[in-house]
Amino acid sequence: GAVVSQHPSRVICKSGTSVKIECRSLDFQATTMFWYRQFPKQSLMLMATSNEGSKATYEQGVEKDKFLINHASLTLSTLTVTSAHPEDSSFYICSASGLAGVEVTEQFFGPGTRLTVL
Amino acid sequence: GDSVTQMEGPVTLSEEAFLTINCTYTATGYPSLFWYVQYPGEGLQLLLKATKADDKGSNKGFEATYRKETTSFHLEKGSVQVSDSAVYFCALSDRGRDDKIIFGKGTRLHILP
Repeated sequence: GAVVSQHPSRVICKSGTSVKIECRSLDFQATTMFWYRQFPKQSLMLMATSNEGSKATYEQGVEKDKFLINHASLTLSTLTVTSAHPEDSSFYICSASGLAGVEVTEQFFGPGTRLTVL
Repeated sequence: GDSVTQMEGPVTLSEEAFLTINCTYTATGYPSLFWYVQYPGEGLQLLLKATKADDKGSNKGFEATYRKETTSFHLEKGSVQVSDSAVYFCALSDRGRDDKIIFGKGTRLHILP
């Protein structure tokens, strides 16, 4: 299947700083990217959906000013956690889907980024 | 709203044992159902899927049948291997492949040699 990468895999930052996480589709054009958050022993919770070139659609309860999502190209989406606080510590996972002819592909998932805010 | 419930882990089995991981769902429409697997240090991978009632998804010796009457999609494998050790997520999507996926909490599987 297609490959999605995330960078960094782990990040530790101080409270109040901003952190940027990158999600790249390496061998296909991702028309749609999804950002999830996973707490220990919990489900993956969808945070937002972004389509290339347009604003992200956030799920209810997700602060769009805190979690900035940019999907400026068909291979890259970024999630910026602004003014991070310890409660933002979590595992963030992205996924991407694209077009194969006229069909939409399945979602392909990145390996995740572990964020720890001190 | 839509939801997925799967059995709590961890599940520990000996190699060649029979595996069942239970999954039930709640959905207002007619969802597609999925099992994803996450091996240590890797991203989620689609293991199998079923898009309508009575469909059976299968891959790598794993099977799951879409049971609308019991709203279930249990994962089974007849003889597990050590390499099957991973976290397994049951999931549903109610509006097609390019829409949001709702995941269960995941079940960690340990296979002992």
